Amino acid sequence: AQSVTQLGSHVSVSEGALVLLRCNYSSSVPPYLFWYVQYPNQGLQLLLKYTSAATLVKGINGFEAEFKKSETSFHLTKPSAHMSDAAEYFCAVSGHNSGGSNYKLTFGKGTLLTVNP
Amino acid sequence: ETGVTQTPRHLVMGMTNKKSLKCEQHLGHNAMYWYKQSAKKPLELMFVYNFKEQTENNSVPSRFSPECPNSSHLFLHLHTLQPEDSALYLCASSQDGGLAATYNEQFFGPGTRLTVL
Repeated sequence: AQSVTQLGSHVSVSEGALVLLRCNYSSSVPPYLFWYVQYPNQGLQLLLKYTSAATLVKGINGFEAEFKKSETSFHLTKPSAHMSDAAEYFCAVSGHNSGGSNYKLTFGKGTLLTVNP
Repeated sequence: ETGVTQTPRHLVMGMTNKKSLKCEQHLGHNAMYWYKQSAKKPLELMFVYNFKEQTENNSVPSRFSPECPNSSHLFLHLHTLQPEDSALYLCASSQDGGLAATYNEQFFGPGTRLTVL
């Protein structure tokens, strides 16, 4: 069984400040982890993914996330927030098997990021 | 067209109407998904299709009827809906089989905003 917990349903930062969105996961198999972003009235867009290669993953728009197995965490960061980063962010976890068949993506409840001028 | 497209983008219907949502993916994938996204709730997986065969139905009421005529197209037929069915309906696709399937990266369409009066 898999689950994702996103701490904080709403995070507010000032423009230029550090962005930190928290995600903790639970998985019975080695996880694959994703961050998606959703802008208003749009679908989900993949920001970055961890697929058991490097533990520090760089994504689009200056975001990155670090996989920490000991803490079961995959927090999303960006050094300097921009107004255009205002959106909802979803963390998701997927298991895998050697047979290669799809496992479900399990999503967190999302964190709404607002950026103040 | 590229990626995953959904039509219509907005739909208003009465409880006695019958309507259909359409999704098309241009990525060569063979797995497709319907999700429901309601305000203040996590993303809910509704249906999964692999190679045109339904592989998952998450206890969705029968007033939602999916159809997958081929690996590129997915429909959601709607009839006698309730006001609580108002939500954003998202379609996604992924590649089943092979290495890419092991982490199940899903690509999302922009969604259909459904309002049931």
